[in-house]
Amino acid sequence: QKEVEQNSGPLSVPEGAIASLNCTYSDRGSQSFFWYRQYSGKSPELIMSIYSNGDKEDGRFTAQLNKASQYVSLLIRDSQPSDSATYLCAVGSQGNLIFGKGTKLSVKP
Amino acid sequence: EADIYQTPRYLVIGTGKKITLECSQTMGHDKMYWYQQDPGMELHLIHYSYGVNSTEKGDLSSESTVSRIRTEHFPLTLESARPSHTSQYLCASSGTGVRQDTQYFGPGTRLTVL
Repeated sequence: QKEVEQNSGPLSVPEGAIASLNCTYSDRGSQSFFWYRQYSGKSPELIMSIYSNGDKEDGRFTAQLNKASQYVSLLIRDSQPSDSATYLCAVGSQGNLIFGKGTKLSVKP
Repeated sequence: EADIYQTPRYLVIGTGKKITLECSQTMGHDKMYWYQQDPGMELHLIHYSYGVNSTEKGDLSSESTVSRIRTEHFPLTLESARPSHTSQYLCASSGTGVRQDTQYFGPGTRLTVL
């Protein structure tokens, strides 16, 4: 059974701080990795995709991938209250995506 | 504009009714998916399709059925709705191949069965 594990949180950070979200996965053959943001009552929206080891930056977001450790992370710099949401890690496996249960992030003003 | 659409957005019906949730995409994607998600809970894959006339059951057992007669259309049907079917249903689509497997989600249908 392929698995994607995330700390369910809630993770609470003050406004302006760095939020760090982590994810581990079990399928060593996975080649694609994603972070989605889901506001309460809404559908998931893609934030970042990453396919190679290392860091990928997009604005305030940085995704980090370490395939040897089977570990993906998302850093959110200068966190804003509007970043408060559930963040889903997803990993490509055998043609589909396996989603983690999500980490709930709360950014306090 | 390429997008993925779901109708209805909200549906309240009585037990025993037959319902069809619609999902269409104009993104040219071959793959389409249906997920079920209760409030505050994880996504569960209930059906997926890799192309026309291809449908598969997902990880979560579901009493619903799907069809894929056209590439852009992937409806989900419940023959006899029950209160246990109350949930949010999310449709998604993706391309095929390396770096084409990003899934894009529709806005969802929130179903309430009384």
